[in-house]
Amino acid sequence: AQSVTQLGSHVSVSEGALVLLRCNYSSSVPPYLFWYVQYPNQGLQLLLKYTTGATLVKGINGFEAEFKKSETSFHLTKPSAHMSDAAEYFCAVSGLSSGGYNKLIFGAGTRLAVHP
Amino acid sequence: DGGITQSPKYLFRKEGQNVTLSCEQNLNHDAMYWYRQDPGQGLRLIYYSQIVNDFQKGDIAEGYSVSREKKESFPLTVTSAQKNPTAFYLCASDDGRRDRTNGYTFGSGTRLTVV
Repeated sequence: AQSVTQLGSHVSVSEGALVLLRCNYSSSVPPYLFWYVQYPNQGLQLLLKYTTGATLVKGINGFEAEFKKSETSFHLTKPSAHMSDAAEYFCAVSGLSSGGYNKLIFGAGTRLAVHP
Repeated sequence: DGGITQSPKYLFRKEGQNVTLSCEQNLNHDAMYWYRQDPGQGLRLIYYSQIVNDFQKGDIAEGYSVSREKKESFPLTVTSAQKNPTAFYLCASDDGRRDRTNGYTFGSGTRLTVV
């Protein structure tokens, strides 16, 4: 079984500052990990994903995430926040398991605020 | 362009009425999902369907019903039995790979308000 924990339901940063959104996962099989972004009254949009291969994954809008198996983490970062980054961010995990139907498991979300 | 279309964007329902939310995809995806989103509660799975003419309850199916008569369509009915239906509803789909390596594609959502 898989689960996701996002540390911090709200994060506030200044424009130009580093963005760090934390995600820890639990999985009994090799995980596939995703970050989604949601702007107000919109659906979720895929930012980036890790499946196999390189552990540092680059996504859209300057975001990146690093898969750290030893820490069971997949934290999302951006070197310099922009006002347009204000949104809610969701981490999700999946993975191939024997039998059954595997769904994405989503974290509770982190709302990012960016102030001037 | 391929994608998921949810309609309407905003929906108002009187107490005691059933309403149906539309979800159509042209991605040729096998699997489709309905989620409910309330402030501060993340995404909660209502129903999902792996294939045409088959669907399963998610975590909060009470008061909801679905059908999957066509691959492209997965409508959600919010019945009068749903005691607190005011929420943002999201439809999603994926290509049906068991490992979900491609993640989900989401529609833009329907905001349902009981008046």
